[in-house]
Amino acid sequence: DADVTQTPRNRITKTGKRIMLECSQTKGHDRMYWYRQDPGLGLRLIYYSFDVKDINKGEISDGYSVSRQAQAKFSLSLESAIPNQTALYFCATSDPRQGNTGELFFGEGSRLTVL
Amino acid sequence: RKEVEQDPGPFNVPEGATVAFNCTYSNSASQSFFWYRQDCRKEPKLLMSVYSSGNEDGRFTAQLNRASQYISLLIRDSKLSDSATYLCVSLNQAGTALIFGKGTTLSVSS
Repeated sequence: DADVTQTPRNRITKTGKRIMLECSQTKGHDRMYWYRQDPGLGLRLIYYSFDVKDINKGEISDGYSVSRQAQAKFSLSLESAIPNQTALYFCATSDPRQGNTGELFFGEGSRLTVL
Repeated sequence: RKEVEQDPGPFNVPEGATVAFNCTYSNSASQSFFWYRQDCRKEPKLLMSVYSSGNEDGRFTAQLNRASQYISLLIRDSKLSDSATYLCVSLNQAGTALIFGKGTTLSVSS
């Protein structure tokens, strides 16, 4: 089983719908992140969380919200999806205390299409 | 200026070639630099960290130039399996999270 699991892996939805992408991890890491990846734009940071009570905006947080329900769970919500939110979304974790400072461990990605 | 910039390529090289990628970063205070590799439709994975004195891992060598704020990745004796996108990574201006470059695509052909 993957250490960082994202659900759903693929989702097609319509403009205006509320969407939640979920991420869970078994690595015991405190830090969790949401990135989106678009062709030609690379990976961009949406939100990140250093522990359950900590939420921080990244480069492109507008139109998104997150919830850190537990150390192991970090969900990303699109309250009212729009077509330019069509992208590949990655959840990641890290724990600098475990040696390689800054190594991110990614889930397999959630491909979201907004029609 | 984007916080991390790299040449998108693509770099098309034959097997056995040596290829180098460069990347510039804007946060002069950053202490963390990495190269990640991403295969098509897969998640990024850490290739190697970049240390101040430079470091080598087999056919891969990473260098850091703080004065010019750039890092490099050198791949010697390229293999077909090296074909991927290579992502340059540094800390954001706030020093709180990793920021990725757009990636450089490498295609190694036989």
